[in-house]
Amino acid sequence: DIQMTQSPSSLSASVGDRVTITCRASQSISSYLNWYQQKPGKAPKLLIYGALSLQSGVPSRFSGSGSGTDFTLTISSLQPEDFATYYCQQSYSTLRTFGQGTKLEIK
Amino acid sequence: QVQLVESGGGLVQPGRSLRLSCAASGFTFSSHAIHWVRQAPGKGLEWVAVISYDGSDKYYADSVKGRFTISRDNSKNTLYLRMNSLRVEDTAVYYCARDWNYNGLDYWGQGTLVTVSS
Repeated sequence: DIQMTQSPSSLSASVGDRVTITCRASQSISSYLNWYQQKPGKAPKLLIYGALSLQSGVPSRFSGSGSGTDFTLTISSLQPEDFATYYCQQSYSTLRTFGQGTKLEIK
Repeated sequence: QVQLVESGGGLVQPGRSLRLSCAASGFTFSSHAIHWVRQAPGKGLEWVAVISYDGSDKYYADSVKGRFTISRDNSKNTLYLRMNSLRVEDTAVYYCARDWNYNGLDYWGQGTLVTVSS
């Protein structure tokens, strides 16, 4: 199975900050990397697919990059509603493994 | 609008069985693969299983292989997860989610809680 490793596991930041979350795959997954946002008590929401494509309705302050094994999710200017947990997931393999998550908290 | 609604969760003793359902509406159910994803309390997301659009292909995480069975009834727009030999560590919220080809899981249900405890 393909293992996905996110860093950091948690992150404290302030409104207006630029933050970056990284995700590493245990083997090359081309650009088959997706990012999700999850708020407490809610289902995950697809933010970015194909490593860099923004899902419809997602604000442009979110962006993704990377290919192969190393990927990043960047939020250019944090808003209060962005404090949540973020997960990466590979869709290269049928067994669609997730990263362990990054909890983004208010500083 | 696309909707996925899970049901069937509850409290069950270790070793027993449970069947979850996921009712779909607002899209052509028979055109999409569907996944089950779970989340233990306070933990991250764990991919569980996937079934192809026509039910011919099924894949499972190692943690549930041989105990869980995914199936679907396209005439009823419904997905199922039969869970046998349940363990305490299967306690989680179970979500069904629509596959968007290789572009991730674009629609999710609200989840159903399964608690395995004596």
